[in-house]
Amino acid sequence: GAGVSQTPSNKVTEKGKYVELRCDPISGHTALYWYRQSLGQGPEFLIYFQGTGAADDSGLPNDRFFAVRPEGSVSTLKIQRTERGDSAVYLCASRRRGTLQETQYFGPGTRLLVL
Amino acid sequence: AQKVTQAQTEISVVEKEDVTLDCVYETRDTTYYLFWYKQPPSGELVFLIRRNSFDEQNEISGRYSWNFQKSTSSFNFTITASQVVDSAVYFCALSDRSDYKLSFGAGTTVTVRA
Repeated sequence: GAGVSQTPSNKVTEKGKYVELRCDPISGHTALYWYRQSLGQGPEFLIYFQGTGAADDSGLPNDRFFAVRPEGSVSTLKIQRTERGDSAVYLCASRRRGTLQETQYFGPGTRLLVL
Repeated sequence: AQKVTQAQTEISVVEKEDVTLDCVYETRDTTYYLFWYKQPPSGELVFLIRRNSFDEQNEISGRYSWNFQKSTSSFNFTITASQVVDSAVYFCALSDRSDYKLSFGAGTTVTVRA
């Protein structure tokens, strides 16, 4: 079946602008995660949704970052007043409930470049 | 706090050589999960294996094998008879069972030369 999809695949913006990154999880997966991967590093956790609510947003670096998942499926990560340090690959992953629920499956990521 | 250490930054081998990737983890949880993911040049993270903390059986899948040792908090990964297509960054990761969020190591870049 279809995997996790993310749009856009690449985003170039200017410092100070607002950006939205979209994640469409695997159908039926109730849990959704956002991670950020800087060049040469492993992904770092940002936020976790179980259904519509953010169950854990402890990884969001500051209040410029916000994410929503209003209907419990698609999620949008929003970054206000972007800074050059926000440049990274933003990865989304989803996970199902029940058997083998421990495993997250990742999308291809959105490469964000802030000029 | 959970922590994953992959001490090897880069490994370069010639095709058909075996390569072992080290992973050491720290956690206070008694139940936890260990993972290996592959990130080829295309960038997408590909799930390879999951291991539960209460299952120390080693596993083999084709040319891949994993050695989980709780006593040394290690979960090492071996590629036997490496191929050029194995060239990628490999990540070891750890999660608990509360929300399953992953803590990743820094990754090991494997380059297999023909």
